[in-house]
Amino acid sequence: GAGVSQSPSNKVTEKGKDVELRCDPISGHTALYWYRQSLGQGLEFLIYFQGNSAPDKSGLPSDRFSAERTGGSVSTLTIQRTQQEDSAVYLCASSQGQGAPQHFGDGTRLSIL
Amino acid sequence: SQQGEEDPQALSIQEGENATMNCSYKTSINNLQWYRQNSGRGLVHLILIRSNEREKHSGRLRVTLDTSKKSSSLLITASRAADTASYFCATGTSGTYKYIFGTGTRLKVLA
Repeated sequence: GAGVSQSPSNKVTEKGKDVELRCDPISGHTALYWYRQSLGQGLEFLIYFQGNSAPDKSGLPSDRFSAERTGGSVSTLTIQRTQQEDSAVYLCASSQGQGAPQHFGDGTRLSIL
Repeated sequence: SQQGEEDPQALSIQEGENATMNCSYKTSINNLQWYRQNSGRGLVHLILIRSNEREKHSGRLRVTLDTSKKSSSLLITASRAADTASYFCATGTSGTYKYIFGTGTRLKVLA
């Protein structure tokens, strides 16, 4: 596709359920980022992938959060046992490498009831 | 606190006026980027300025960088209603992949 695609665009789930968010980066982009944006706030860095490896997972808020990337392309962010404070917009971005401009998807708006 | 903090938090101007937003950061950087976010959408990259550059232009955008003051400014000239959005700065440091985004400036351009 022409841009970064994220799915689903909206997700409403009950507290305690697991959710999986998907990101399809721009073809050929080796770097992939996940961010979290709470209402009216800036972006909170979660994790970065270079190829399939994530050199630093320290941005993940808790051990309920995990992410993987396969084939140097699609990435999934999984949140287990969701809590209400997990409600936010989760944004994915890809770039050609470190220091290059990031291209963002439109995000997944996650609401935990 | 955030590496990048924008000022003002919100700005409302008339169409045709210039809009200036400022970004301050705390540590040494390799480059600084500005992004725009329309409501409900992802961020769109506007301009990148490297630490050895002082000023950069792109269309109606002018970015300055003062590394001695650890600050940057984004100027939008002859603003349009379509410029209404939130604007974020993001700082990158040498040798790392992590970009730190500021809290953003919400710009409203009145027609």
